[in-house]
Parts: sequence; C-alpha cells; structure tokens
Amino acid sequence: GQQVMQIPQYQHVQEGEDFTTYCNSSTTLSNIQWYKQRPGGHPVFLIQLVKSGEVKKQKRLTFQFGEAKKNSSLHITATQTTDVGTYFCAGPVQGGKLIFGQGTELSVKP
Amino acid sequence: GAVVSQHPSRVICKSGTSVKIECRSLDFQATTMFWYRQFPKQSLMLMATSNEGSKATYEQGVEKDKFLINHASLTLSTLTVTSAHPEDSSFYICSARLISGVYNEQFFGPGTRLTVL
Repeated sequence: GQQVMQIPQYQHVQEGEDFTTYCNSSTTLSNIQWYKQRPGGHPVFLIQLVKSGEVKKQKRLTFQFGEAKKNSSLHITATQTTDVGTYFCAGPVQGGKLIFGQGTELSVKP
Repeated sequence: GAVVSQHPSRVICKSGTSVKIECRSLDFQATTMFWYRQFPKQSLMLMATSNEGSKATYEQGVEKDKFLINHASLTLSTLTVTSAHPEDSSFYICSARLISGVYNEQFFGPGTRLTVL
C-alpha cells in the first residue's frame, strides 16, 4: 500500500541552528500537508502544498513540494525553543484519508 | 480556523468496561470525521472513517465490534471502546475534514488519553 516515509526520526539542535525534516511518498501525491504536535498536545495543521515545485514560507519555516510531487521538506531557520515538537507530513489517499509519516521529533537546547 | 472538541480529555477505567469518546466540530459541519490512535513516540494510525448517516469504514486490523463508531449528526461522532483492556490504553484523536476549494484540511480534536487498568 501507499507509504509516507519521514526522516530523521529525531533531531536535537542547539537553539539558533537550522533544522530540516524530509518526507517521501511511495506514490505521487495530489497535495501534502504538514502538522506540528507539541509534547502532550494534538496535531495542528501548518500548511498544505498543492503545486509541483511549490515553496511556501511561514516566518522561519520553509515548506517545499518536490517537482514529482512525491517528496517534501520542512526547513526551520534559526530554531527557537518554541519550535520543539514533532513534525508530521501527511499525504491524502482515497476517501479523504490522510497517511501520516512517522514524524520527526525536534528538541532544541537553549 | 475551525475548532474540533473532544470529550473527555482523559479517562481511566477498569478492564472490561466500555468508554465513549465524543468528537464535535464546533463551528462547521463535517460529513466525514476520522478516528486515530497514537501510541507514545509513534505516529498517528488511522482507525476508521466516520461518515454521517452511514456506517463507518474501518482500517485493516481494526475490530469494528470493539471500536463502535456512530456519526449521528453533522457535528458529532462518537467512538466507543467496548470491553476495554490494558492494551487499548492509548491517545485517541479525532479529526474533522473541511473541504474548501482545492484544500482538504483536517482539524484535530485535542485528543483523549485512555488508560485501562
């Protein structure tokens, strides 16, 4: 079946360093979504990318959708302690369902 | 953004009892809601798709007789864990689907942490 792989599983950075998480789908996606889950919290929608090669920015966060619409990345510039959490990518499948990647847990050392 | 509530937020029960979890879309109507389960340090695993006015669709490996889903209205879906056992202890999260143009966004409830003793 369709799979969404995400790496790395964990990333520990010093505050101020950059962070990137990568997402790869086994099949072409119509869109890809990114969510953030704070420790003890629930996933919160960050963004959806629809177009091939699309790049979107939200302050220090840059999201990219690959040309083949099978991979995506989230890059955080100059991490802050408020960025701590697990970042999930998710791709849609039939019926409006989402398949989530395994998530990348980001910890930031002040 | 759209708000989804979930109740209760936390429940502790004895083995063998049943637990009902409610998921409500507060400011929009959701014909489709989804139920996920998340174990510690793991990703969200879709359990079932809840469809208003029709039977839920369960993912492979999820027992429909154990996890009863009812989507009686456009704003409410319920998940009942029947005869709960310690291995059912998990974080249960619902989401409601909001379709707007090309965008297909899911809004998640705050989750219910179930502990079965």
